[in-house]
Amino acid sequence: NAGVTQTPKFQVLKTGQSMTLQCAQDMNHEYMSWYRQDPGMGLRLIHYSVGAGITDQGEVPNGYNVSRSTTEDFPLRLLSAAPSQTSVYFCASSPTSRATRDEQFFGPGTRLTVL
Amino acid sequence: GQQVMQIPQYQHVQEGEDFTTYCNSSTTLSNIQWYKQRPGGHPVFLIQLVKSGEVKKQKRLTFQFGEAKKNSSLHITATQTTDVGTYFCAGPQGGSEKLVFGKGTKLTVNP
Repeated sequence: NAGVTQTPKFQVLKTGQSMTLQCAQDMNHEYMSWYRQDPGMGLRLIHYSVGAGITDQGEVPNGYNVSRSTTEDFPLRLLSAAPSQTSVYFCASSPTSRATRDEQFFGPGTRLTVL
Repeated sequence: GQQVMQIPQYQHVQEGEDFTTYCNSSTTLSNIQWYKQRPGGHPVFLIQLVKSGEVKKQKRLTFQFGEAKKNSSLHITATQTTDVGTYFCAGPQGGSEKLVFGKGTKLTVNP
């Protein structure tokens, strides 16, 4: 199993550009989520999904969209990038929809810079 | 919303010294998880505590969950350079499936 994979590893955008961060898992996990990590801020939840077709907002959802059409994939879309979205983005998955009781498996991260 | 506070933010120790990080919640937690992130890496699950007053050990690491289930600690005995990284606690937010992380404690170890 590859686990949780994320692409790209690095990305530089200009303000106003849009892009999609890809996340995939091959463990048949129900729950998937996106976090952003900024220096001194820990990990902040952006969006999460408890199963295909179901998504919900986390702590910092503004400026981001998600969809979950399959169990395996959970892409994160930046509609109009802003410098404040410069961060490291982690995708995570866990086996069941009771995510807060499960071990979270994190991907390697995407380092995004918005100029 | 529920917050998970973690202290200290940074800790620098000499190799062989002990290290402790503390996690405090504004509300009672049903469970708490701990993760470790090595420099340049991603968070990796260490352990989950569920019961009031629970104590679990993993080699030199000791994890505790408070009696009131509002605080937790991670203690490392005789630190080694391999312990370097940031340690996070995480707990559920209310009745949702949102996992809220503390800001982490960054540990550096001087050999």
